Amino acid sequence: SAVISQKPSRDICQRGTSLTIQCQVDSQVTMMFWYRQQPGQSLTLIATANQGSEATYESGFVIDKFPISRPNLTFSTLTVSNMSPEDSSIYLCIGTENYGYTFGSGTRLTVV
Amino acid sequence: TQLLEQSPQFLSIQEGENLTVYCNSSSVFSSLQWYRQEPGEGPVLLVTVVTGGEVKKLKRLTFQFGDARKDSSLHITAAQTGDTGLYLCAGVGIQGAQKLVFGQGTRLTINP
Repeated sequence: SAVISQKPSRDICQRGTSLTIQCQVDSQVTMMFWYRQQPGQSLTLIATANQGSEATYESGFVIDKFPISRPNLTFSTLTVSNMSPEDSSIYLCIGTENYGYTFGSGTRLTVV
Repeated sequence: TQLLEQSPQFLSIQEGENLTVYCNSSSVFSSLQWYRQEPGEGPVLLVTVVTGGEVKKLKRLTFQFGDARKDSSLHITAAQTGDTGLYLCAGVGIQGAQKLVFGQGTRLTINP
């Protein structure tokens, strides 16, 4: 199965700044998704990263706040823009190929 | 929007007791996965159930997929302190989008 390298693993950021998270897959995956896991809670889907086109966002998430890129089938980025303390969370990418799912290692973001 | 209702959200029992966690939806899923997550770690896949009525056993853990593929349960027999963690169910929709819909999670504590 695929292996996803997610960076950074953690970061502490000032409010009002932006952070870009990267996921690199060692093989092509058909679909890539970005999730958020707030403290003590489950995983919430932010968006589906579409290769070469705009991501598909879930209700409550917008492109201006969470711009996503997916230039090819092995790489995607999520940017958390204009951060506030409420954005403190774990951000996770998940790739899937033929219904086999691979998780990134997660990015633990703290906004101060 | 497909939703998974997971219950209970919190469960604290004594070592040796049995427990059941439920995942319910009004939607049909093509498959359903169960994950266990420990603090600071990513979710680890325990099992995938695909066929309505399917029962899978993993040592003391028994997983069942409802006949209509709308619900699932996880039963743990003779719980041990090492079973402590966050248990997540996640469904794969039938529309072909392959995105995982996660339940709210069950935070299980097994007391010695």
